[in-house]
Amino acid sequence: DAGVTQSPTHLIKTRGQQVTLRCSPKSGHDTVSWYQQALGQGPQFIFQYYEEEERQRGNFPDRFSGHQFPNYSSELNVNALLLGDSALYLCASSLQNGYTFGSGTRLTVV
Amino acid sequence: DAKTTQPNSMESNEEEPVHLPCNHSTISGTDYIHWYRQLPSQGPEYVIHGLTSNVNNRMASLAIAEDRKSSTLILHRATLRDAAVYYCILRDYSWGKLQFGAGTQVVVTP
Repeated sequence: DAGVTQSPTHLIKTRGQQVTLRCSPKSGHDTVSWYQQALGQGPQFIFQYYEEEERQRGNFPDRFSGHQFPNYSSELNVNALLLGDSALYLCASSLQNGYTFGSGTRLTVV
Repeated sequence: DAKTTQPNSMESNEEEPVHLPCNHSTISGTDYIHWYRQLPSQGPEYVIHGLTSNVNNRMASLAIAEDRKSSTLILHRATLRDAAVYYCILRDYSWGKLQFGAGTQVVVTP
């Protein structure tokens, strides 16, 4: 049974560019959340999607947006990239209680 | 959001028990106590969760104080594969976001 799949695994972008990260949830999971993890810190909640709607949002600017598709997969979009957006981006899926995380996408902004 | 306090790091010898403390003095009556761990280069992994009673599963045990203001994650026999950052997290409803702190870095020595 495949867990949470994220793509790409690594990405290098230039300041000002836009990026799209993708996530396929664990089979049977209908809720997808995105987290940003800077080096040496715990993950920070970006937003959560359920039934193709953003259900909760953390303290992130509007440059961060997302989407959930009918098959429950999700995308995270970041516009106008800043150097500070360099981080590991984690996707987590859930059905009720426990979350299953992917291994993340390492984004480097240069 | 209710906060948790954990030690920055703990060391243990292989095959010995590890007791990881977590203080959450501002916990509300509907907060669940969750534990996740993050191995190097991986996303966080669910370990265990509980509300009021002590909980056991194949990975660990969770001991919750009677007043619920603290809890302890117990790894019964530490192995080298248990070396990770362990996060104690409070969630106020089943689908709520996970608010990570800095966690406890567990070092296991052969």
